Amino acid sequence: QVQVVESGGGVVQPGRSLRLSCAASGFMFNIYAMHWVRQAPGKGLEWVALISYDGSNKYHADSVKGRFTISRDNSKNTLFLHMNSLRPEDTAVYFCARGLVEFTDYFYMDVWGKGTTVTVSS
Amino acid sequence: EIVLTQSPATLSLSPGERATLSCRTSQSVSDFLAWYQQKPGLPPRLLIYDASNRATGIPARFSGSGSGTDFTLTISSLEPEDSAVYYCQQRSNWPFGGGTKVEIK
Repeated sequence: QVQVVESGGGVVQPGRSLRLSCAASGFMFNIYAMHWVRQAPGKGLEWVALISYDGSNKYHADSVKGRFTISRDNSKNTLFLHMNSLRPEDTAVYFCARGLVEFTDYFYMDVWGKGTTVTVSS
Repeated sequence: EIVLTQSPATLSLSPGERATLSCRTSQSVSDFLAWYQQKPGLPPRLLIYDASNRATGIPARFSGSGSGTDFTLTISSLEPEDSAVYYCQQRSNWPFGGGTKVEIK
């Protein structure tokens, strides 16, 4: 069964750090780009970051650039999002998603996790 | 940055009716546009990619059309389970559209 499962969310104070993980199974993780997408309460979707299948290319949204870093460990079929200097506006459900087409950095996403909730509050 | 504008914000229709959702881009994206469906409490689901290709397992009542800057998602005959928010997104850049909420009367 093709799936991705996020973990690592929680309540954190402003300015602190958090690391999200996404465990992939049921497919060849090392041939797909992976994304993080977030959704603030009652709001629309906001793309956060993309990493290419081999980790050679990384892209981050302007809203998180310099604070968040996407990474992956293909030997463990796991995607990460390292979040530093968290702000209240980072409060959201964070989804991990697989890129649709193998070996490309397209922004289409076809397999989504259920999300992990991050709350930034003092 | 290419901006994606969706309309209408909300669409309220009865079961069996046809729904037409619009997505306009601020610059041409050729036919590199996708549509997603999101129901409350669930992750998004890819419906359409490259403007008109249905993703795996998507019912035939969902269809996409358009190219350049104007795109349409059509639900030919609404089912109660089609109540959701629909987002468009382009292939080569990050912004999603703001979404269209489809309500079933």
